[in-house]
Amino acid sequence: AQSVTQLDSQVPVFEEAPVELRCNYSSSVSVYLFWYVQYPNQGLQLLLKYLSGSTLVKGINGFEAEFNKSQTSFHLRKPSVHISDTAEYFCAVRTPGAGSYQLTFGKGTKLSVIP
Amino acid sequence: GAGVSQTPSNKVTEKGKYVELRCDPISGHTALYWYRQSLGQGPEFLIYFQGTGAADDSGLPNDRFFAVRPEGSVSTLKIQRTERGDSAVYLCASSSTGADTGELFFGEGSRLTVL
Repeated sequence: AQSVTQLDSQVPVFEEAPVELRCNYSSSVSVYLFWYVQYPNQGLQLLLKYLSGSTLVKGINGFEAEFNKSQTSFHLRKPSVHISDTAEYFCAVRTPGAGSYQLTFGKGTKLSVIP
Repeated sequence: GAGVSQTPSNKVTEKGKYVELRCDPISGHTALYWYRQSLGQGPEFLIYFQGTGAADDSGLPNDRFFAVRPEGSVSTLKIQRTERGDSAVYLCASSSTGADTGELFFGEGSRLTVL
C-alpha cells in the first residue's frame, strides 16, 4: 500500500517571496509522483510529474519539484510567488505498471499569497 | 466541449434517496475515473474504466455505489439509499489510452449534500 503525507495544511506567504510545499510518500516499490493544483472553482490540473531520470522536474507557472528517494520526498518549490498562485496543491503517487493508473493523493496544502 | 464536464454541479438530496451523477469525458479519452473528495481530504479513488468496462472498482465503498459507461464515453455514478456520510465532491477525470503517466484531466466536480 502507498500513502502520501502533506505536512502543512495551510501555507501563507507574501507575494514575491519563495515557497516550499512539502510532500512525503510511503511505498514499498518505485513510484511516479505528481503535483496537482486546484484553483478556486476549477478542476484539478497537473502542475508537474516525476516518472524517471532527472530528480529535478520543472512544471508550469514557474514551479519545480525535487524527487529525493532516500528521504521519500517530493517537495514543491517556487522562488517568487504571485497572487495568482493562491490555490490548493495536492501531491499524488502512483505505482508504475499497476494496471489501474489509480492515484493516491495527499490531503492538500492551501497556499495563500498575501499582497 | 474541450474539457471534462460533470453534471449536476450541485445536488442536494435527502437521506435514503437515489442519486445519479454524470460525467462527459474529453473526446477520444478511453480511460475514465471517479474520485470522491470529502471536506478537508484529498481525492480518493473510486473506480476506473477502460472503454466500457470497469477495470478497477476497488475504491467503491460498498454496494450502494455503482458506475456505468455503456458506450465507452459518458459515465454515470449511481448512489442508492444515500447516507449523510456520502456528502462530498465527486470528481471525474479522463485520460488517453496508454497514458501511464498519471496525467488525468479533471472536471470541476459534482457537490453532493445529503440531508
